[in-house]
Amino acid sequence: GNSVTQMEGPVTLSEEAFLTINCTYTATGYPSLFWYVQYPGEGLQLLLKATKADDKGSNKGFEATYRKETTSFHLEKGSVQVSDSAVYFCALSDPAVGTYKYIFGTGTRLKVLA
Amino acid sequence: DAGITQSPRYKITETGRQVTLMCHQTWSHSYMFWYRQDLGHGLRLIYYSAAADITDKGEVPDGYVVSRSKTENFPLTLESATRSQTSVYFCASSEQGSSYNSPLHFGNGTRLTVT
Repeated sequence: GNSVTQMEGPVTLSEEAFLTINCTYTATGYPSLFWYVQYPGEGLQLLLKATKADDKGSNKGFEATYRKETTSFHLEKGSVQVSDSAVYFCALSDPAVGTYKYIFGTGTRLKVLA
Repeated sequence: DAGITQSPRYKITETGRQVTLMCHQTWSHSYMFWYRQDLGHGLRLIYYSAAADITDKGEVPDGYVVSRSKTENFPLTLESATRSQTSVYFCASSEQGSSYNSPLHFGNGTRLTVT
C-alpha cells in the first residue's frame, strides 16, 4: 500500500543553518506530494506541493523537488530562522486509491536555536 | 475571513457524556474530514464526507458519529466519551478530494480531554 517515510526528529539547528528533511514515498499510481507545517497549538498548514515528476514546490524559502526515480520529496531551506521551529509533515495523495486517501508521514520536529 | 473554524478550542468532559465538536468552512469545498492526532500514531482519519449528506468511515470511526446537512458544516459527535478519545481533533477540507490532487486545509484543532 501507499506510505510516506520521513526522517526521525527532532532536528536541532542553529539559526542560518541549511535544512534538509528527508521524505520518501511508495505509491500505486501517480501521487501528488505535499509538505505541511504545524506550529505549536495550531493546525497543519500547507507549505508547498508538487503534482508531477521533476516539479519543484517552493514557499517562504522552502523548496522540495518531486523525484520519481528515487521516490523522494526532500524539504530544504538554505537559511533557517528561529520562527521556522515547528513540526513538518510530508504527505501524498494518490488518485489510484480513491478520493479521500491522504497519507501522512509521522512528522519531523525542527528546533532552531538563536 | 475565509477558512475553517473549529469550536471549541478546548473541551474537558467526563466519561460517558456526549460531546459535539463543530467545524465550519467558508470555501464551499466538497470534501471534509475529521482526523485525530495522537503521539505515536500521527494523524488518523475518523470520518470523511464527499458532499452534503454523503459521509463515510475512515480508519478509526468507532465511537464517533458525523453528519453533513449543509456543505459548510461537519460536526463530529462522541456518543459516549471514553478516556481513549482524549486527543486533538482536526477538521480539514479539500476542494476536490485526493483524486484531483487538491491539498487539505486544516482548522486549528480542538483539544479534548475525557476524565
